[in-house]
Amino acid sequence: KAGVTQTPRYLIKTRGQQVTLSCSPISGHRSVSWYQQTPGQGLQFLFEYFSETQRNKGNFPGRFSGRQFSNSRSEMNVSTLELGDSALYLCASSLVRGTASYEQYFGPGTRLTVT
Amino acid sequence: GQNIDQPTEMTATEGAIVQINCTYQTSGFNGLFWYQQHAGEAPTFLSYNVLDGLEEKGRFSSFLSRSKGYSYLLLKELQMKDSASYLCAVRPAGAGGYNKLIFGAGTRLAVHP
Repeated sequence: KAGVTQTPRYLIKTRGQQVTLSCSPISGHRSVSWYQQTPGQGLQFLFEYFSETQRNKGNFPGRFSGRQFSNSRSEMNVSTLELGDSALYLCASSLVRGTASYEQYFGPGTRLTVT
Repeated sequence: GQNIDQPTEMTATEGAIVQINCTYQTSGFNGLFWYQQHAGEAPTFLSYNVLDGLEEKGRFSSFLSRSKGYSYLLLKELQMKDSASYLCAVRPAGAGGYNKLIFGAGTRLAVHP
């Protein structure tokens, strides 16, 4: 079974630009979560999508947004990039059965550098 | 508030046993996870505890005490490839907490020959 895939793997953007990152979950996984990882703050939860709906959100500004498509693939967008947005962005997918969620499996991440 | 504490760094010898502790204070509790992350790679799932007690999986075991807000990851027969960061993560309770994980800062483990 293929794992979680993320594209692109590396990205360099300039302050003020916007960026879109993509995530394809493991087949059959309908929950997709996004995390930001930085040396200073560690792994921080951004948001979770399930059945094309955002059902969880972390403490990030509105510049960070996402969506999920009917095939469970997800994208996250960051608008008006700031230097502090430089980070590894990780996507994780999980199986959901009824009201139970299972462990999350992470993709390789997208390394975003903002200059 | 939400707080997860784990030691920043640990060192151990190849073949030995090491225990990595994690204490947490979160708004409700719906499971504790351990992940391993090698430098430059994504976290990989190691274990999951939702009830008190010990879960064993090969060389890795994880323990949970909900009343004490405490967990540990036990690694036996250490190998050089176990040198990595180990992340403790808690899933808060409630319908909104399904796949929101709160991570600790991670424990960097160095295994020496």
